[in-house]
Amino acid sequence: QKEVEQDPGPLSVPEGAIVSLNCTYSNSAFQYFMWYRQYSRKGPELLMYTYSSGNKEDGRFTAQVDKSSKYISLFIRDSQPSDSATYLCAMSANSGYSTLTFGKGTMLLVSP
Amino acid sequence: GAVVSQHPSRVICKSGTSVKIECRSLDFQATTMFWYRQFPKQSLMLMATSNEGSKATYEQGVEKDKFLINHASLTLSTLTVTSAHPEDSSFYICSATLGPGTFTDTQYFGPGTRLTVL
Repeated sequence: QKEVEQDPGPLSVPEGAIVSLNCTYSNSAFQYFMWYRQYSRKGPELLMYTYSSGNKEDGRFTAQVDKSSKYISLFIRDSQPSDSATYLCAMSANSGYSTLTFGKGTMLLVSP
Repeated sequence: GAVVSQHPSRVICKSGTSVKIECRSLDFQATTMFWYRQFPKQSLMLMATSNEGSKATYEQGVEKDKFLINHASLTLSTLTVTSAHPEDSSFYICSATLGPGTFTDTQYFGPGTRLTVL
């Protein structure tokens, strides 16, 4: 079993939809959780960073962490065509970028 | 905001040749730089972490003699793929932080370099 599992998609939704992206993991030591957005042929950019369990909101984006279920989610409200990208989850047991384990990414397509 | 550039953005080379990829922090001094490799539809995999003026720390399974990393200044790190083979074809991405690379630092990614080895 891989440490981090993420459905590769593609996930296709109409503009304005609420999008739910998810990752599951097996390492109970993970306590730092991140979501990155990566446009085609570009480097990733950090969207959300959460420590331990709970919710975090930033504009149209909400990150949820359920450590008891080893499950994290990213919700995008009022999705826009510009949200079309690959979304990578990443997580770590320690507070350093060199320790991050990434998921494979979910491709999201938002149609106008 | 802080910008990280990579050069070249795309390179095609013959098997057996060496390829150098540059990663530059354009408007800040990067204490720590990271090199990643990303195969199609695969996870972003960290290859090595480098600090200015010291040897890079390679991840398990990454051949240090094949992937030479030099972080000679606070604004430039280079990755040289020596004797490249088709299986080295991948998307190479660098990132940089002002500090030692903990989550209190912001990590800035470059746009990536697509390497194709024929």
